[in-house]
Amino acid sequence: DAGVTQSPTHLIKTRGQQVTLRCSPISGHKSVSWYQQVLGQGPQFIFQYYEKEERGRGNFPDRFSARQFPNYSSELNVNALLLGDSALYLCASSLYEGNYGYTFGSGTRLTVV
Amino acid sequence: RKEVEQDPGPFNVPEGATVAFNCTYSNSASQSFFWYRQDCRKEPKLLMSVYSSGNEDGRFTAQLNRASQYISLLIRDSKLSDSATYLCVVIKRSGGGNKLTFGTGTQLKVEL
Repeated sequence: DAGVTQSPTHLIKTRGQQVTLRCSPISGHKSVSWYQQVLGQGPQFIFQYYEKEERGRGNFPDRFSARQFPNYSSELNVNALLLGDSALYLCASSLYEGNYGYTFGSGTRLTVV
Repeated sequence: RKEVEQDPGPFNVPEGATVAFNCTYSNSASQSFFWYRQDCRKEPKLLMSVYSSGNEDGRFTAQLNRASQYISLLIRDSKLSDSATYLCVVIKRSGGGNKLTFGTGTQLKVEL
């Protein structure tokens, strides 16, 4: 079985640009959440989605948005990129929103120059 | 004060040593607790859940003290392959979903 897949694996963008990151959960998993991990820090919660609805939002500016599709895959969008947005973006899936068995994808490493 | 605090380390220990990591959390409404392991430039992977009664998985023992809002992880007979960053994770229900809050992580280096 495929695990959580994220694309692209690496990305370089310039300040002010927009970026879209993609995540496909484990087959059968309906909940997807997004995290930002800056070097030397633990992952920070950005969003959680379940059945296409936003179920939780972390302390991130409105430049960050996400959505979940009928097939439970998800996209994270970041507008007006700043240098400080450079980080590893992780996606995690779980069977349902109350389930704590989170599996992480290998992440997208975003560099903003 | 951070919601979840860990000593960042690094902890440098010889093979075979016993090492303990601690984690404190500030929100008493937190409901579930976990330890994750993260290898360099890789994704976090679930190591074990943490319960008040304590739980053991081979060389690893985790313990939760709700009164003191404190979580611990004990690794016995350390192996070179245990070298990684150990992340304390606290989960709280929020707005219909779960909010995972990670600590900064504690780096462990096991040496020959």
